[in-house]
Amino acid sequence: GQQLNQSPQSMFIQEGEDVSMNCTSSSIFNTWLWYKQDPGEGPVLLIALYKAGELTSNGRLTAQFGITRKDSFLNISASIPSDVGIYFCAGQFGRQAGTALIFGKGTTLSVSS
Amino acid sequence: GAGVSQSPRYKVAKRGQDVALRCDPISGHVSLFWYQQALGQGPEFLTYFQNEAQLDKSGLPSDRFFAERPEGSVSTLKIQRTQQEDSAVYLCASSLARSGQGTDTQYFGPGTRLTVL
Repeated sequence: GQQLNQSPQSMFIQEGEDVSMNCTSSSIFNTWLWYKQDPGEGPVLLIALYKAGELTSNGRLTAQFGITRKDSFLNISASIPSDVGIYFCAGQFGRQAGTALIFGKGTTLSVSS
Repeated sequence: GAGVSQSPRYKVAKRGQDVALRCDPISGHVSLFWYQQALGQGPEFLTYFQNEAQLDKSGLPSDRFFAERPEGSVSTLKIQRTQQEDSAVYLCASSLARSGQGTDTQYFGPGTRLTVL
């Protein structure tokens, strides 16, 4: 099935550092979302973006919906140990409820204190 | 309130066995999705229900996969004659709104990890 191109695949950083990851697609999406998945759990929504160019923050997290509607990035500032996990981007072709999510392969974040 | 729950959390099956995976969505949620997550990959869409109606089953990989939601709440994903390539985490997600009713957040359960030997 179709998946998005997400990079980097993994990151190893020190506590307090900033992190940036991004996602690209050959298709145009109407919605971009960022999820975090902890081991043994399902993905949890972090940020949802609905308009091209939109920049949205959620605490130390900031995400942007690319102008071309084919890309998005997520930044995490001042990382802490609980940021460890797998981060997934996801796109939706439609904005309506009932539209399936298309996920990237994930970025695994490790934080050392 | 309670989130999405799935059972069993872990299932080991011998190749050729049939398995049934259960999803209890958040109470009152109209929409229900099933996704398959292979090791090291992101989740991939399998099928979508609005209440008891299966509106999209385009992601089901073969006719061995069957899903139902007969009363519009609990859903079961059944895999017949399991194969090794069926080994994955099966995630269920639910959302409040009906299809076409504006933006809507999908809430995921913890998943069922299926291992086929």
